[in-house]
Order: sequence, then C-alpha cells, then structure tokens
Amino acid sequence: AQKVTQAQTEISVVEKEDVTLDCVYETRDTTYYLFWYKQPPSGELVFLIRRNSFDEQNEISGRYSWNFQKSTSSFNFTITASQVVDSAVYFCALSPNAGNMLTFGGGTRLMVKP
Amino acid sequence: EAGVTQFPSHSVIEKGQTVTLRCDPISGHDNLYWYRRVMGKEIKFLLHFVKESKQDESGMPNNRFLAERTGGTYSTLKVQPAELEDSGVYFCASSLRQSTDTQYFGPGTRLTVL
Repeated sequence: AQKVTQAQTEISVVEKEDVTLDCVYETRDTTYYLFWYKQPPSGELVFLIRRNSFDEQNEISGRYSWNFQKSTSSFNFTITASQVVDSAVYFCALSPNAGNMLTFGGGTRLMVKP
Repeated sequence: EAGVTQFPSHSVIEKGQTVTLRCDPISGHDNLYWYRRVMGKEIKFLLHFVKESKQDESGMPNNRFLAERTGGTYSTLKVQPAELEDSGVYFCASSLRQSTDTQYFGPGTRLTVL
C-alpha cells in the first residue's frame, strides 16, 4: 500500500519569507514517481514537478526548490521569498512505476500575507 | 494548446437524481483518469482509461458510478442515483501515452447533493 503524508495542514507566512512544505511517503515499490501540484483559488490542479526514485538530485526552478531524500522518504518543497500569488493548496503525490494511479497527500494550505 | 476541460464546473442536485460529468482531455492524450475529493478527505483515484478501455477501475466506490469513454476522446462519469456522500470535487486528468507520463488535471466539477 502507498501513503503520502503532508503533516502541515495550513501554513501562514508573510511575504518574502521562505517556507518549506513537508511531504513524507510510504511505498514498497523500488521504482516510483513523486509529484507536487498546486491548487490556486480557481480550483485546478497545476503540475509543478515530477521526480523518479532513481534521481535524488535536488531541483531548483526560480523561487521553487525540491529536496528529495530517499533515506527519509521525504520530498519537501521550498518556496524562497514567498509572494501573495503563492497562496494556494499544495499537494504531494506518489505513483508506482508499473501503474499510474496517483496517491495524494492531504494537501497543505499556504497563505502568504502582504 | 487547450488543457483538460470539465463540464459543468458546479452541479447541485437532490438525493436520488442523476448527474453526468464530462471531461475533455488534452488532444492526443490516450490516458484519462477520474479522481474525486470528498469533504475533508484526500484526493482519491476512481478509474483510468487507456483510449476507450478501462485500465483500472479499482477506485470506483460502487455501482452507482458509471464511467464511459466512447471513441477514446471525451469521458463521462454518471452518478445514478446520487447520494449525499457523493458530494465533493471530481477531477479529471489526462496523460500522453506511457504509463508514467505526467498527468495534467482539469479544474474539477464541484458536485453538491442535497
């Protein structure tokens, strides 16, 4: 069975602060994929990043960075110098190699105040 | 290129009525998925089509739910008869061809059963 846990249900920061969203996963698969999606107030799920289990390199995209640590089964997401437009619900998800059903965490609501 | 579209965006029906949700995937995407998020819970997988065939319907809650994808293009999800616990947001996603291609989501249909 697969499981994704996002322990932080809600985070509130002030603009320009850095914030890290935690994601811990459980899987018995040796190969798997991890994802982050953003759900802005408009409701759609916007794809942010995908990592496979063989690639533990951290990734940076502008103000966004992701830290994948297989040893702790974590795939954390950091926003540097947060902005009001970053306010959204962020979902971490996992899928096995052989199949493609996504297992989602419960989401973290991020509120960035001006 | 148009993204995944869903119709309607919001539906309010009474218990016992029938509702049909529609999803148009990204053009050329063979894989189509349905997920739903009921109040306070995680986003859960319902089923997966590869073209017009059901690849995995392990997440369908019961036989009141019927999904179709005639012709391998758009898909419909019918709930008949609707129950109160069916209220939630129904998401559709599509991906290209490989089982591990990234899934791109639509804006969701918010279903309210009174």
